[in-house]
Amino acid sequence: AQSVSQHNHHVILSEAASLELGCNYSYGGTVNLFWYVQYPGQHLQLLLKYFSGDPLVKGIKGFEAEFIKSKFSFNLRKPSVQWSDTAEYFCAVKGGSQGNLIFGKGTKLSVKP
Amino acid sequence: GAGVSQSPSNKVTEKGKDVELRCDPISGHTALYWYRQRLGQGLEFLIYFQGNSAPDKSGLPSDRFSAERTGESVSTLTIQRTQQEDSAVYLCASSFAEQFFGPGTRLTVL
Repeated sequence: AQSVSQHNHHVILSEAASLELGCNYSYGGTVNLFWYVQYPGQHLQLLLKYFSGDPLVKGIKGFEAEFIKSKFSFNLRKPSVQWSDTAEYFCAVKGGSQGNLIFGKGTKLSVKP
Repeated sequence: GAGVSQSPSNKVTEKGKDVELRCDPISGHTALYWYRQRLGQGLEFLIYFQGNSAPDKSGLPSDRFSAERTGESVSTLTIQRTQQEDSAVYLCASSFAEQFFGPGTRLTVL
């Protein structure tokens, strides 16, 4: 069965620090990859997605992610975090003929002002 | 509408009661998904509707769970004889290419 692993449960950073959240998936075929964000009290929003093409994907709010097929990874990065980035971040994969997304357990990011 | 809507936003029920949760997808989205998010966990897939095809029910945790969707419109998720472990946020998403999520229904079973 497909699975998604997010390595960090809770990350605490100071403002202006750089961020990298790890995501690895298990499916060996063609995949669509996503990062969703859930701000406190709000619903899930799409941050960025990879379907094909350039493996470095730019998303909203200065986030980016790099698809490395050989490592089955899709890590999320931001060069300089802000307090407003405090949220929970979910990596998800959609592979093959499946319709639904498989989600990781999420990483909670706390940014100290 | 502008986004996926779900109702009710919160539901508190007693163990053993049936509950019905509603999802209004984005107009024109052919696919509709239900997920469950338990405290401290990621999203768990429940069921997937694609157009008029038979739904993918592979994620439903027990036969107490069922869902319906008429055409490409509203969907209802029904949980019969609720148990305390059913307490979670139930999320609906609709999709044409990428999935857009609703705000969820927080279900608490006492």
